[in-house]
Amino acid sequence: ETGVTQTPRHLVMGMTNKKSLKCEQHLGHNAMYWYKQSAKKPLELMFVYNFKEQTENNSVPSRFSPECPNSSHLFLHLHTLQPEDSALYLCASSQVAANTEAFFGQGTRLTVV
Amino acid sequence: SQKIEQNSEALNIQEGKTATLTCNYTNYSPAYLQWYRQDPGRGPVFLLLIRENEKEKRKERLKVTFDTTLKQSLFHITASQPADSATYLCALDMGFSNTGKLIFGQGTTLQVKP
Repeated sequence: ETGVTQTPRHLVMGMTNKKSLKCEQHLGHNAMYWYKQSAKKPLELMFVYNFKEQTENNSVPSRFSPECPNSSHLFLHLHTLQPEDSALYLCASSQVAANTEAFFGQGTRLTVV
Repeated sequence: SQKIEQNSEALNIQEGKTATLTCNYTNYSPAYLQWYRQDPGRGPVFLLLIRENEKEKRKERLKVTFDTTLKQSLFHITASQPADSATYLCALDMGFSNTGKLIFGQGTTLQVKP
């Protein structure tokens, strides 16, 4: 266990569905991240939250909507996804001021049908 | 923009040998360079971090080097074991914006055969 918990672990959804991914960290970190990992491609940073404020949005389509209600929880709301959005979605947290490593959750394997 | 290259082909070695993985980057040298291990279907796990003013870092059977002139980091696993089989990711922390943003390479898959 890394201290970062993601749910669900697997998700299959249709293109017209709305679903949410949840991430929770118990490490007291001040930054949380969403990454997308597709087959044969590097991890792609999607969103960054520092102290609950979104500091980065890497040109992510609006069908992905993040929410960070507090420094321990992060959500990714999904709506009208495309089959090419199928991937492993990883949440991570870190203590930014200390320039230390990122702690990742186990990921949500998303399949869009 | 910053690009990272790791050997895309899998590395196959015999148990007991030293595995050496390469991470090359373009443009600016990062403030920190990190190595992670990722097993299939799971999130990456941090292994080692090296700073731009450090040449080498060790942890048990692991060793990382950082050459800012060559723009390269090497990751070594000595006395490799089948349990070391995994994908190893190189990540750069540019340190510019202090957001903790990491840029990842695509990873190299290591297979250690008994």
